[in-house]
Amino acid sequence: GAVVSQHPSWVICKSGTSVKIECRSLDFQATTMFWYRQFPKQSLMLMATSNEGSKATYEQGVEKDKFLINHASLTLSTLTVTSAHPEDSSFYICSARGPGVSGANVLTFGAGSRLTVL
Amino acid sequence: AQRVTQPEKLLSVFKGAPVELKCNYSYSGSPELFWYVQYSRQRLQLLLRHISRESIKGFTADLNKGETSFHLKKPFAQEEDSAMYYCALSGGAGNMLTFGGGTRLMVKP
Repeated sequence: GAVVSQHPSWVICKSGTSVKIECRSLDFQATTMFWYRQFPKQSLMLMATSNEGSKATYEQGVEKDKFLINHASLTLSTLTVTSAHPEDSSFYICSARGPGVSGANVLTFGAGSRLTVL
Repeated sequence: AQRVTQPEKLLSVFKGAPVELKCNYSYSGSPELFWYVQYSRQRLQLLLRHISRESIKGFTADLNKGETSFHLKKPFAQEEDSAMYYCALSGGAGNMLTFGGGTRLMVKP
């Protein structure tokens, strides 16, 4: 079946550094990917929609300069948390729409990336 | 605007008991509804979607447009059903998916 891979699965960094998280669709092309943030014991909060070849669409309240999204190819989207601070510590999850027409409205999720900012 | 509400954060039942996880939605058009499940230490995955009208792992869900609900049901809960369940709504292909707050199901032996 369809697989979405996220890397790294866990990253610990110092405050002020930038961290890049990758999201790859392994066996299908994903023109649209989504980035979510999940706080402990809470639901997923959509941060942005990543569209291949165009700018990401950010949800209200999400700082686009803080969370840079790049969708350079049909199988890769990256989320860069710039100048990370402890409050950015969270679980970041990506998902991809598809594959195929029948799966166009079904999301395949990555395993998530835990960011801990010291 | 689209909204999904799962009124119960936690649902605890005994093995073999029936279970119903509630989901209500708000959407002006024709929605597509989903149930996603997240087992412990695993990624979120699709459980079922209303257009498929199928039973997965014994779970079923019927879209009730009159009551704007999409409750998830299983007649006899199993311990392995313990997980976090999310109801989600999409306004159509190309539209974003909106998740409910999630319900943690605990099935006790």
